[in-house]
Amino acid sequence: EVQLVESGEGLVQPGSSMKLSCVASGFTFSNYGMNWIRQAPKKGLEWIALIYYDSSSKYYADSVKGRFTISRDNSKNTLYLEMNSLRSEDTAMYYCAKANSGYGGVMDAWGQGASVTVSS
Amino acid sequence: DIVLTQSPALAVSLGQRATISCRASESVRSSMHWYQQKSGQQPKLLIYGASNLASGVPARFSGSGSGTDFTFTIDPVEADDIATYYCQQSRNDPLTFGSGTKLEIK
Repeated sequence: EVQLVESGEGLVQPGSSMKLSCVASGFTFSNYGMNWIRQAPKKGLEWIALIYYDSSSKYYADSVKGRFTISRDNSKNTLYLEMNSLRSEDTAMYYCAKANSGYGGVMDAWGQGASVTVSS
Repeated sequence: DIVLTQSPALAVSLGQRATISCRASESVRSSMHWYQQKSGQQPKLLIYGASNLASGVPARFSGSGSGTDFTFTIDPVEADDIATYYCQQSRNDPLTFGSGTKLEIK
């Protein structure tokens, strides 16, 4: 069974940094692209980042480009999202999602989410 | 960016057919996917590649379309289908989602 478990959630002040992790199990992590998607309170889904299976390519939404970094450690079956210069509008539930190929696009399994609140 | 437009809500009686549309601002060919999100839960993939049923998803769910116009159908609707349904395109970077259609039971 595919499992994705996010961690690192919490409350931070504007301008600060935070790092989310997503530990994967139940599939060969190193074969699949991975995504981060967020959902602000009472809002819809917003894709924010994608990393290929081998980290050869990374893509970001304009809203986070230059502030957030997606990375992965295939030896640890773990996906990361490093978030810098956090703003109140980054407050959201953050989901990691497995792609159905090495390159992303279709998100066929999702974690339960990690809540990030940016507030003073 | 490709904008995906969905109607905000739909009310359907149990046992009837629910049809949700998604219109893309430019062609995404068949790179359209559909997700179900129940209240308080993470999204779940239902349809990928416009018309392919994801693993374990009941055949009551189906999808069709190509280019800019896509349709997602539930037939027949059951009480457990109360959720918000999102379309998502993977044709172009950035990946984008529609704003979601909330399915309600009449």
